Amino acid sequence: DSGVTQTPKHLITATGQRVTLRCSPRSGDLSVYWYQQSLDQGLQFLIHYYNGEERAKGNILERFSAQQFPDLHSELNLSSLELGDSALYFCASSASGGLVLNEQFFGPGTRLTVL
Amino acid sequence: EDQVTQSPEALRLQEGESSSLNCSYTVSGLRGLFWYRQDPGKGPEFLFTLYSAGEEKEKERLKATLTKKESFLHITAPKPEDSATYLCAVSDSNYQLIWGAGTKLIIKP
Repeated sequence: DSGVTQTPKHLITATGQRVTLRCSPRSGDLSVYWYQQSLDQGLQFLIHYYNGEERAKGNILERFSAQQFPDLHSELNLSSLELGDSALYFCASSASGGLVLNEQFFGPGTRLTVL
Repeated sequence: EDQVTQSPEALRLQEGESSSLNCSYTVSGLRGLFWYRQDPGKGPEFLFTLYSAGEEKEKERLKATLTKKESFLHITAPKPEDSATYLCAVSDSNYQLIWGAGTKLIIKP
């Protein structure tokens, strides 16, 4: 158990809909990262938040957005969903904000299925 | 362009047959290199961090090494429970991680 929690574990929805994925980082970690992993694909970095502020953006679509709240939990919002958005979405946390090298610890993921 | 390449894409071994996985990188300002293990449908699990060429780290049957252009993950006398996808990630000068596509390791009993 990494100490990172993600909810829900599974999500099935229809095209055009909007969903919210939630992540709670490990106790004491200030950074949250979001990744997308499609079937048999590598990890695609989406976005990084540190202590409530956006630090870096990766290949995140305009239909996707995220935020980190004062209690450090984070939410990833996916809207106007398409079939191709079906994937595993992982959240990871680390102690630092990118000025010190720290390993990332991953949550169990949310499996999103868009029908 | 910064890049991380892992080889082979897949590797099938018999139980007890030792081998190595490769992670080669072209990154400016390397800060460090990470190895992770990922089981199907689960989040990656942290294994090692290597910071500089010549460094080595070990954990049970796994040993990670680092040179200036690549890293190897050596697996000695593997068991079926070592079957997983092994991911490599490199931290660039801005501390951003660049991920490889992974090596899927299958250990047959």
